Amino acid sequence: GAGVSQSPSNKVTEKGKDVELRCDPISGHTALYWYRQSLGQGLEFLIYFQGNSAPDKSGLPSDRFSAERTGGSVSTLTIQRTQQEDSAVYLCASSFRNSPLHFGNGTRLTVT
Amino acid sequence: TQLLEQSPQFLSIQEGENLTVYCNSSSVFSSLQWYRQEPGEGPVLLVTVVTGGEVKKLKRLTFQFGDARKDSSLHITAAQPGDTGLYLCAAPSWGKLQFGAGTQVVVTP
Repeated sequence: GAGVSQSPSNKVTEKGKDVELRCDPISGHTALYWYRQSLGQGLEFLIYFQGNSAPDKSGLPSDRFSAERTGGSVSTLTIQRTQQEDSAVYLCASSFRNSPLHFGNGTRLTVT
Repeated sequence: TQLLEQSPQFLSIQEGENLTVYCNSSSVFSSLQWYRQEPGEGPVLLVTVVTGGEVKKLKRLTFQFGDARKDSSLHITAAQPGDTGLYLCAAPSWGKLQFGAGTQVVVTP
């Protein structure tokens, strides 16, 4: 596809369950970001992958959050033992070197 | 504390009016980007400014980067309902792109 693809678009889960969110970046893009956006708010940085370098995990809010990027392409954000405060839209973006970010439409996570 | 402070948080205006939103910081940036986000979608880049004092125009939108490269403004002339959205500024910081909290703009017919 031409753009960044995220799945699922919506996810409802029970408190305490684990969830996996997937991001397919634009082919050839070396950088991949995950952000979190609460209702009507700005974007909170979570994690950043750039090529083969070690990821910048400085934005992950707790050790329940982790992410990996396999083969320099697809990325998965995993949230373990979900809490209600994890409810938000999770946005993925990719870019080539220092070019502007291209965002997916996000995954809306609701923890009940 | 937000690296980038955006104001106002919310702006509601009538079609045809002008508006300005601001993005301020105490830090100096090599560049600054503006994005617009519509409901259910990811942000989309509007413009990147890189030179202090730079002014860029995109149809009815005028973007300015402060002389000291610490702040920026977005001015919309004769706003239309299609301009409704969340306007976000973003700047590189410690190798990653950081965003402000955004200004929600609503333009009513």
